[in-house]
Amino acid sequence: AQSVTQLDSHVSVSEGTPVLLRCNYSSSYSPSLFWYVQHPNKGLQLLLKYTSAATLVKGINGFEAEFKKSETSFHLTKPSAHMSDAAEYFCVVSDRMDSSYKLIFGSGTRLLVRP
Amino acid sequence: GAVVSQHPSWVICKSGTSVKIECRSLDFQATTMFWYRQFPKQSLMLMATSNEGSKATYEQGVEKDKFLINHASLTLSTLTVTSAHPEDSSFYICSARGPWGQTDTQYFGPGTRLTVL
Repeated sequence: AQSVTQLDSHVSVSEGTPVLLRCNYSSSYSPSLFWYVQHPNKGLQLLLKYTSAATLVKGINGFEAEFKKSETSFHLTKPSAHMSDAAEYFCVVSDRMDSSYKLIFGSGTRLLVRP
Repeated sequence: GAVVSQHPSWVICKSGTSVKIECRSLDFQATTMFWYRQFPKQSLMLMATSNEGSKATYEQGVEKDKFLINHASLTLSTLTVTSAHPEDSSFYICSARGPWGQTDTQYFGPGTRLTVL
């Protein structure tokens, strides 16, 4: 069975400092991993995805994530936070062998950016 | 590319009435769409999977007679909340399985806020 654990419910950083949002996953087979961002009262926007190509994945808005199979992690990072990055972030896993294409969501991490 | 829209963005209705929410893939065909429900400050809960031309598959605990899903075309799925009650108030989000080459990715609509009085 697949699952996703987002280790922090809230992360607070100052503008201009690095961002680290942590995610660990468990998957029976070859996982696809995603990070989505949700701004208040909005839908989800895809930041980046990993699907077995390069382990370091670059996404939009300067975000990137590294797939580490040995640590079963897929942490999201950004070198310098911007006020507009304040939002809810979801780490998501799916099983590429599962024809239902269902996504398994983490519980979310709220990123707060202080001026 | 891969844009998904929802209509309406918010709706207020009286208890006992039915509400229809539309989900459209604007620039691609989506054979599979998904409906989620999100409570305040919580993650998304999958309600059902909608496949074009066939019956939806509902997750355990979701009442299929209350949440009617129709996927009549490759670009449109609808969710009808029948006989809505205040406990049905929530944020409903749809997603569509991506186009060829991106079928492992879901693209999400902006969501519909339902308030039942």
